[in-house]
Amino acid sequence: GAGVSQSPSNKVTEKGKDVELRCDPISGHTALYWYRQSLGQGLEFLIYFQGNSAPDKSGLPSDRFSAERTGGSVSTLTIQRTQQEDSAVYLCASSRDSGETQYFGPGTRLLVL
Amino acid sequence: AQRVTQPEKLLSVFKGAPVELKCNYSYSGSPELFWYVQYSRQRLQLLLRHISRESIKGFTADLNKGETSFHLKKPFAQEEDSAMYYCALSSGGYQKVTFGTGTKLQVIP
Repeated sequence: GAGVSQSPSNKVTEKGKDVELRCDPISGHTALYWYRQSLGQGLEFLIYFQGNSAPDKSGLPSDRFSAERTGGSVSTLTIQRTQQEDSAVYLCASSRDSGETQYFGPGTRLLVL
Repeated sequence: AQRVTQPEKLLSVFKGAPVELKCNYSYSGSPELFWYVQYSRQRLQLLLRHISRESIKGFTADLNKGETSFHLKKPFAQEEDSAMYYCALSSGGYQKVTFGTGTKLQVIP
């Protein structure tokens, strides 16, 4: 079946604008993660959804970042009032259950001018 | 709290030399450990997990509970092994998986 997909693949925006990034996980996967990967840096955990439980938002860097997962499937990551330091690749991953292998999407490359 | 440490940000080895990517973890229970790999311009993907006890692309990793380590090893590095490698830990239940900061492996021809 199809893997994890993300859209858009690239996004260029102006400082101060809001952006929405979308993630379509593998069907039936209950766990969904968002990560950020800055140039030359490792993975930075942002947020984790598991089934109907309250999401783990402990990695969100500021209140400008939020995410939701509708119907236990598609997720959107929203960044309000973008800043240049938000420029990075945003990765989404899903897994069948919380401790299982994660399947990553191709990422959305965000550039804030 | 669970934690994964990858002490080397960059590891350079010559082709044919042995490779060891270090991973240490802190967790009091019985963890599930993973190695993920990201080749240039490809998605991050699972390389191996300790529960499978597999050798993938010549890589192996043994869980050492005494030393709380899960080092990734390969006897003879190949140029195509050049990539970013991440160690990850799952504590089970509904806890999120924790990733290390990654090690970039550079195999010199």
